[in-house]
Formats: sequence, C-alpha cells, structure tokens
Amino acid sequence: DTEVTQTPKHLVMGMTNKKSLKCEQHMGHRAMYWYKQKAKKPPELMFVYSYEKLSINESVPSRFSPECPNSSLLNLHLHALQPEDSALYLCASSQVGTPNTEAFFGQGTRLTVV
Amino acid sequence: AQTVTQSQPEMSVQEAETVTLSCTYDTSENNYYLFWYKQPPSRQMILVIRQEAYKQQNATENRFSVNFQKAAKSFSLKISDSQLGDTAMYFCAFIKFQGAQKLVFGQGTRLTINP
Repeated sequence: DTEVTQTPKHLVMGMTNKKSLKCEQHMGHRAMYWYKQKAKKPPELMFVYSYEKLSINESVPSRFSPECPNSSLLNLHLHALQPEDSALYLCASSQVGTPNTEAFFGQGTRLTVV
Repeated sequence: AQTVTQSQPEMSVQEAETVTLSCTYDTSENNYYLFWYKQPPSRQMILVIRQEAYKQQNATENRFSVNFQKAAKSFSLKISDSQLGDTAMYFCAFIKFQGAQKLVFGQGTRLTINP
C-alpha cells in the first residue's frame, strides 16, 4: 500500500464554520506534512510532524490547527477561515531522517471558503 | 535560504518528441537532494526522478533522465519519446540533507504533449 488518502476531496465552508481535513497512510512513515497549493503555484509547506510531534510550523495562522492522533493519521482543523484560504491542501508522508527517499502525496482536498 | 527557479512557465511538444525542462537552484549547502515531481490534472504529486548531490552520475528512470551540473547549480529533466500521459505540471524541488523533508519547489512548468 503506497497510498496517502485524503478526505474529503472537495469542501465548501463558510467563514464561521469549523471543519476538518483528514489524511491517512499505512506505509509506516513517521513524518507527515501539510502543504497548501494555490492555483498555478507550487505547494507551500505548512506543518511537519515527526514521530507524532509537531516539528515545523511555517508561521501558519492559528485558524489552521494540525493534529496527529497516531502514526497513521493527520488532521487539519479549520476555523474562521478567510476567502484567501481557498486552495488545494495536500498531505504527504515520508520516512524520517532519510531525505533522499520519496515523499508520497495524497490527491488533496480542494477547499473553497465562501 | 534555498531557491529553485524554473524559467519555462509552459512548454508544448508533439507526441514521441524529446523535451527538456530547465531548473536552476541556489544553495550554500554541499549535501542535498534534487527531485522532479509531476502533478497531472488528477492533482496528485508523483515523484519522477531524484538526484543525490554527492553523486556525479546523472539519474535515469526509463524515459526520464536528468542533466545535473553541480557547479552550475543546474538540474534539467529530459523526457524522451514523450507520451500523452506526460501532460502535467512539473516541479523541480530541493531538500537539504536533514531529517525533516522541507521540500522547496520551483514555480513549475506546464508541459502539454500534443497528439
């Protein structure tokens, strides 16, 4: 199993809503990532979890709250988002400490904030 | 800080032709890795090929090969015998030799293979 599964695939939410994005992998990877990708732009790193602990936060606003409940799951909790937060949110996983190995990406959640 | 530059926003070739995508990068690191990722309309980022900076030999994966020039900080991707399924956005990416995989991406090249 070399898949990273993200749900939902599409999400429309209002600025006062609370929603969560989910990511799951069963490859035994101990590093998991959230990236944000705007249209026609490269992915931008948001958060990195290593061994279920937050190791990198790229100065992301607090309306985005990551959570890693176990080594297979990664969540991104969303609250009071702005329309400019509309983007494709990509989850990825990889081994830890071996940067030459592949980061596996999910298909992303297309988020629209209205 | 590391930067990655892809100077070709869009390219278009006919099926079966060979195409080369350019990438340059800037870093003061000596140990690092370079990647080419493909993102088709399905949105999933797929690794095409990787290159370790300490290896002089250029990486190849079937129809895909790179021309890695460390002194020039250049890392181009050559696709031979291009196929319709190669149509995608291609991102060049850099990572330092460290634990956390903080990929730094270029702006991307949109490649279209025409029948």
